[in-house]
Parts: sequence; structure tokens; C-alpha cells
Amino acid sequence: NAGVTQTPKFRILKIGQSMTLQCAQDMNHNYMYWYRQDPGMGLKLIYYSVGAGITDKGEVPNGYNVSRSTTEDFPLRLELAAPSQTSVYFCASSDTPPTQYFGPGTRLTVL
Amino acid sequence: GNSVTQMEGPVTLSEEAFLTINCTYTATGYPSLFWYVQYPGEGLQLLLKATKADDKGSNKGFEATYRKETTSFHLEKGSVQVSDSAVYFCALKNMDMGRRALTFGSGTRLQVQP
Repeated sequence: NAGVTQTPKFRILKIGQSMTLQCAQDMNHNYMYWYRQDPGMGLKLIYYSVGAGITDKGEVPNGYNVSRSTTEDFPLRLELAAPSQTSVYFCASSDTPPTQYFGPGTRLTVL
Repeated sequence: GNSVTQMEGPVTLSEEAFLTINCTYTATGYPSLFWYVQYPGEGLQLLLKATKADDKGSNKGFEATYRKETTSFHLEKGSVQVSDSAVYFCALKNMDMGRRALTFGSGTRLQVQP
């Protein structure tokens, strides 16, 4: 059982580049989330989705976009990377509240 | 709004010592409370949870009791092991909120020495 998977594990971007962080879950969960974790800080919610075709902003959505075309996938898009987006990004999913299941994370550095 | 405050780390203990990591919260309504653990290089894993006042969550020798009167959810373990070295996050979920997202504390790093 794969659970929540994320790719890539690591990535270095130059300022202004774009990329997509992939997230997939095989648990048929309706709710999916993207968080970022800055050094020494807790996780902050970027975007979330309550089901296919439905997304909404979290606490820190600026500079990011998401889509949810299927139940399984919830990619996060960075259009113009900035050094402030250097962080570790976690995807999570949930069905039966309130437990969330987390992926292993993507460590992103913007130089 | 919702917020979670944890004691700052790192917390350094010797093996078999008693552990307490303090967590207090601010929330409207009746949130559910969680402790997540993050081992080096890994994602967060649910350690334990409590969904109503006076509930005690427990797992792997860790315990935490939901205290509504003091708005606290302190994590305890009677005898820590080196393998417990990790970052521990206290979190809450306010079920009144449609998005059901978690609000996290800043995390407390635990280092257990042999």
C-alpha cells in the first residue's frame, strides 16, 4: 500500500523558473492538502481540496497554483520561483476525519 | 483564530529519562488535538490523538490528555529511547472548519542520548 507519494524528493531551481510538485494517493481520500515547512517552524497550509474539481486557498497561497482533476492526484505548481519559496513541501490526504496521512516531502531550494 | 504553542527545543535527555513536551492551544469551539512525529528525512506520522475533553491518546508508550480547562495537550513518556529522537508537532483541527486542515505548532526536537 503506497499511501501518499510525492515526487521529486529534492529539487534546486533558479529564480524565475517554474516547476510542478507531484502528489498522489491511493486511499481514495476526498481531502488533499499542500503544506510547506520552513526551518524551525510548523507546517503552514498552502492549498487544499475537498474533492476532484474543487480547490481552495490556505494560509500562504501566493506564488502557487493547484489543480485536482482526479481523486488521486493533487499537483502543486510554482510559476515564478523565488528564494522565499525555499522550503520542504508536504502533501497530505484525509477521508475519515480527523486523521491526515502525509507524504515523505519534497525539499526545494531556490537560488 | 486557531493557534498552537509548543515548548522550544531542542530537548536533550538520557535514555530512560521521563519526557514532557508542553503544548497549549487557542481555538474556537471544540477542536480535535494531535501529536505528530517526524523522524529525520521522513514525513510526519500521526503519533496519537484526542477528540474531546478529558480523552487520553496513547501510542508506543507516549500519552497526552486533552485538558479543556487549561487548553493543553502535553506529551509524556515514562522512559525514552534513542529511537525516539525526532521532531514532535502538536496540532489541532477545528471540525467547524470545512477544509478540515490542521494548525501546527512549531515543533520540538527531542534528542535522546545513550
